[in-house]
Amino acid sequence: SQTIHQWPATLVQPVGSPLSLECTVEGTSNPNLYWYRQAAGRGLQLLFYSVGIGQISSEVPQNLSASRPQDRQFILSSKKLLLSDSGFYLCAWMPLAGLFDTQYFGPGTRLTVL
Amino acid sequence: DAKTTQPTSMDCAEGRAANLPCNHSTISGNEYVYWYRQIHSQGPQYIIHGLKNNETNEMASLIITEDRKSSTLILPHATLRDTAVYYCIVRPAGGGADGLTFGKGTHLIIQP
Repeated sequence: SQTIHQWPATLVQPVGSPLSLECTVEGTSNPNLYWYRQAAGRGLQLLFYSVGIGQISSEVPQNLSASRPQDRQFILSSKKLLLSDSGFYLCAWMPLAGLFDTQYFGPGTRLTVL
Repeated sequence: DAKTTQPTSMDCAEGRAANLPCNHSTISGNEYVYWYRQIHSQGPQYIIHGLKNNETNEMASLIITEDRKSSTLILPHATLRDTAVYYCIVRPAGGGADGLTFGKGTHLIIQP
């Protein structure tokens, strides 16, 4: 069966510090991968998605970036965090050739920027 | 993707059926209705999806009206663990690699 992992689970970082969040998927090949953010009291916002290694599509211009160095690894980064980057970050995967758009989400990383 | 409208919040007694409505009056013929839920501090969880026929799985039932302009998610015997935000999403089959658009959903509170 497929599983998705995210780490760390929680993170407290000072403003201006770098960020690296990691997501890995097991039990599948060639998945579509996604990063979403949920700010406090807000809905889920799609940040990035990827259909393959090295292929990244950005939905929202901001100081975050994403990379996909391996088929089942998706990384979210920032060089300098802002207070507004605080939130709940969720990684998700979807079968590449799936007919139905069922996405499977990870447990999330709660980021607090102070 | 067609727009959806859901009530902001609903209460339901434990053990009773929870019926969550969703309006999608601009749905197209090739668009499916998907339901996800998000329990507090967890990632969203897929529940069920359907095109025009009623669907049932181990988690819930989905009733879609004949004109497909609205649907109802039914949790037959709600438990306290069903307290969550429920999202109704409409997308065409194979709608592409881009992400899902989550609205504000319905906050379902199961009362003991």
